Amino acid sequence: GIQVEQSPPDLILQEGANSTLRCNFSDSVNNLQWFHQNPWGQLINLFYIPSGTKQNGRLSATTVATERYSLLYISSSQTTDSGVYFCAGGQNFVFGPGTRLSVLP
Amino acid sequence: DVKVTQSSRYLVKRTGEKVFLECVQDMDHENMFWYRQDPGLGLRLIYFSYDVKMKEKGDIPEGYSVSREKKERFSLILESASTNQTSMYLCASSPALSGSRYEQYFGPGTRLTVT
Repeated sequence: GIQVEQSPPDLILQEGANSTLRCNFSDSVNNLQWFHQNPWGQLINLFYIPSGTKQNGRLSATTVATERYSLLYISSSQTTDSGVYFCAGGQNFVFGPGTRLSVLP
Repeated sequence: DVKVTQSSRYLVKRTGEKVFLECVQDMDHENMFWYRQDPGLGLRLIYFSYDVKMKEKGDIPEGYSVSREKKERFSLILESASTNQTSMYLCASSPALSGSRYEQYFGPGTRLTVT
């Protein structure tokens, strides 16, 4: 089955810093999603981005489907951005292991 | 907005009890899913359903069963709860199982503790 890797596994930032999270798939997917899991466990949809680039406020994402990776950009990070970021996709909707982000005040 | 709700946010049950976790979605999605999430193991698919009364096993179905009598409702049943079923349970729905409409929407989760 499809394997999903995410990097980095952990990230600590000062408030206001920018960051880039990466997601690699072992095979092509046409349904890639990014989620943020908040400290209460809720998985919040960030982007449905099988290809191309999307932006939503301080967050943007780019998926290069031909090279089987996606990037999530967080600009001007805030403490409320803390949590775990997951990418997922593929026929069996496989989740990556996540990137744990901590934004310090 | 898609809304997926789960019957309980926190649940404590005793070993051997029969446990029902309920999930309801309001977007007329064909497909619904149950996952469990454990530290270090990520999200693992227990069962999914692609239509009323239809179900498919996921990666870890042992010890669980499911029921989908109505399109909007998907229930996860622990026939005889055990301590190793202590976990966060997440329900999701999706309008499709493949292609460009295969995106998932998640409920808030139920944190189940079996003592």
